[in-house]
Amino acid sequence: KAGVTQTPRYLIKTRGQQVTLSCSPISGHRSVSWYQQTPGQGLQFLFEYFSETQRNKGNFPGRFSGRQFSNSRSEMNVSTLELGDSALYLCASTPGGNPAGYTFGSGTRLTVV
Amino acid sequence: AQSVTQLGSHVSVSEGALVLLRCNYSSSVPPYLFWYVQYPNQGLQLLLKYTTGATLVKGINGFEAEFKKSETSFHLTKPSAHMSDAAEYFCAVISGGYNKLIFGAGTRLAVHP
Repeated sequence: KAGVTQTPRYLIKTRGQQVTLSCSPISGHRSVSWYQQTPGQGLQFLFEYFSETQRNKGNFPGRFSGRQFSNSRSEMNVSTLELGDSALYLCASTPGGNPAGYTFGSGTRLTVV
Repeated sequence: AQSVTQLGSHVSVSEGALVLLRCNYSSSVPPYLFWYVQYPNQGLQLLLKYTTGATLVKGINGFEAEFKKSETSFHLTKPSAHMSDAAEYFCAVISGGYNKLIFGAGTRLAVHP
């Protein structure tokens, strides 16, 4: 069974631009969560979607947004990119009812120059 | 609020030696606890998890962890380190019914011949 797929793997953007990252969960998983990983702040929760609804949100500015489609695929968008947004963005999926079943993707490495 | 503390950002062991990575958590309700491993340029792979039941949890690659409520600890051990165990290890907690993982800062494990 295919794992969690994140595209693209690597991305370079310029300050002020916007970016969209994609995550395809494991088939049958209805919950998708996003995390940001940086050397300084570690792993931080961005948001979680379940059946196209945002259920939980971390402490990030409004420039960070996401959505989930009816097939459970999710996208996150970052507008007006800042140098500090450079990070590894990880997506995780779980069937939905049990928080103990997270599976992570390989991540998208975003570099802002 | 829940939190996770991993003692030691870097741990170095000899091949064949015991691996002990320390994790303490704070939670006002019974937690779900996890250990993840991350290899360079990869996502997070679940090593093991504690939800309910037996407090000694066995995971993949010979790792195990014991949930000690009285000590609020969930330390990760492996009897004999292998070179392939060199990676970064993250302890995480979910509690309160929220589908949000709170991660520790991570421990980088080095294994030398």
